Amino acid sequence: AQSVTQPDIHITVSEGASLELRCNYSYGATPYLFWYVQSPGQGLQLLLKYFSGDTLVQGIKGFEAEFKRSQSSFNLRKPSVHWSDAAEYFCAVVQNAGNNRKLIWGLGTSLAVNP
Amino acid sequence: DGGITQSPKYLFRKEGQNVTLSCEQNLNHDAMYWYRQDPGQGLRLIYYSQIVNDFQKGDIAEGYSVSREKKESFPLTVTSAQKNPTAFYLCASSLGRGYAGELFFGEGSRLTVL
Repeated sequence: AQSVTQPDIHITVSEGASLELRCNYSYGATPYLFWYVQSPGQGLQLLLKYFSGDTLVQGIKGFEAEFKRSQSSFNLRKPSVHWSDAAEYFCAVVQNAGNNRKLIWGLGTSLAVNP
Repeated sequence: DGGITQSPKYLFRKEGQNVTLSCEQNLNHDAMYWYRQDPGQGLRLIYYSQIVNDFQKGDIAEGYSVSREKKESFPLTVTSAQKNPTAFYLCASSLGRGYAGELFFGEGSRLTVL
């Protein structure tokens, strides 16, 4: 079965510093990969997605992610973090099982931003 | 603006009572989903529906029920059989099942059992 691992449960960075959130997946074929963000007490919002092609994908809010097949990783990055980026971040992969497609979620990384 | 509306945002229930959470979307999406979120456990799929009048169990369907009588609506009932119902519930939709990764979420409903 496919799985998604986010090794860091909680990360704290200073405002203006760079950010990298890690995501590792297990999947045999080319995966469909996603990053979502959740502000406290809110629903989730899609930040970016990777299906195929260019391995560096751009998303909203200044985020980007790089797909590295050799490392089974899809890490999320931002060059300069803003205080408003404090939130929970989830990595996910689509699992194909016959006629069904299912989204497999990581457990999330909580990001705190120091002023 | 198009989106997903969940209500109520906060709900309190006594043990033994059923409660229904509302989810309405005006995105004209075919597929709708219900997730449960608990601290440290990520998102777990309760039920999903790909078309009207059809739905399938997710990973943790026991103690829950749904209906999909209209394309726009996918209410979730938390029954008294659900042993630990206190959680944050999220409704989502996607264009279709083939877009299972591109979800649009509501703002969630927090259920607390007293």
